[in-house]
Amino acid sequence: QVQLQESGPGLVKPSETLSLTCTVSGGSITNYYWSWIRQPPGKGLEWIGYIYYTGSTDYNPSLKSRITISVDTSKNQFSLKLSSVTAADTAIYYCARHMTGRNPPLGYWGQGTLVTVSS
Amino acid sequence: DIVMTQSPLSLPVTPGEPASISCRSSQSLLYTNGDNYLDWYLQKPGKSPQLLMYLGFKRASGVPDRFSGSGSGTDFTLKISRVEAEDVGTYYCMQALQGPRTFGQGTKVEIK
Repeated sequence: QVQLQESGPGLVKPSETLSLTCTVSGGSITNYYWSWIRQPPGKGLEWIGYIYYTGSTDYNPSLKSRITISVDTSKNQFSLKLSSVTAADTAIYYCARHMTGRNPPLGYWGQGTLVTVSS
Repeated sequence: DIVMTQSPLSLPVTPGEPASISCRSSQSLLYTNGDNYLDWYLQKPGKSPQLLMYLGFKRASGVPDRFSGSGSGTDFTLKISRVEAEDVGTYYCMQALQGPRTFGQGTKVEIK
């Protein structure tokens, strides 16, 4: 059974860069798409972007100028960097694995990690 | 971006009774291959979202058959034939056809 685990600082200062890593266990990172999704406390879901194991990416245009998603196949991990954060970036951040096929759904999710932006 | 609109936003339900959630998209989610790229997710209280349905009507692995999805183009429905206590949570539809993936606002299902 594939498992995903987010890790990274729970508190980030305004204007700094948020950095999170998703570690995949129980399966290989190869041959799949991997996404980041966030959820502000008490609010709905926002898709941030995805990466294929080869390194190709697609980002939400609303965040594109501030996002970098990367993959490390040797460590079975992928990562998110979000620069110039503000309080509006406070959210639970989830990593997820897509299923297979064309435009596949998000079949496996991590437990999520709360990141608070505050000085 | 494709805008997803769900209704109702809150749905009190009685165990054993049916329930229905609507999801509408601002553009058709029907692709030329005949598939509708519409997924449904359930987020139980305090938990991560989990995949319920994909391509509008296909149940994900392990999803009980009391859940069904229907619709095409811009109008979709998730139905629960007989609600159980474990079905409480927030249901989200999400389009996967084009552009950034976008979610509906969510429908909170709770027991009366």
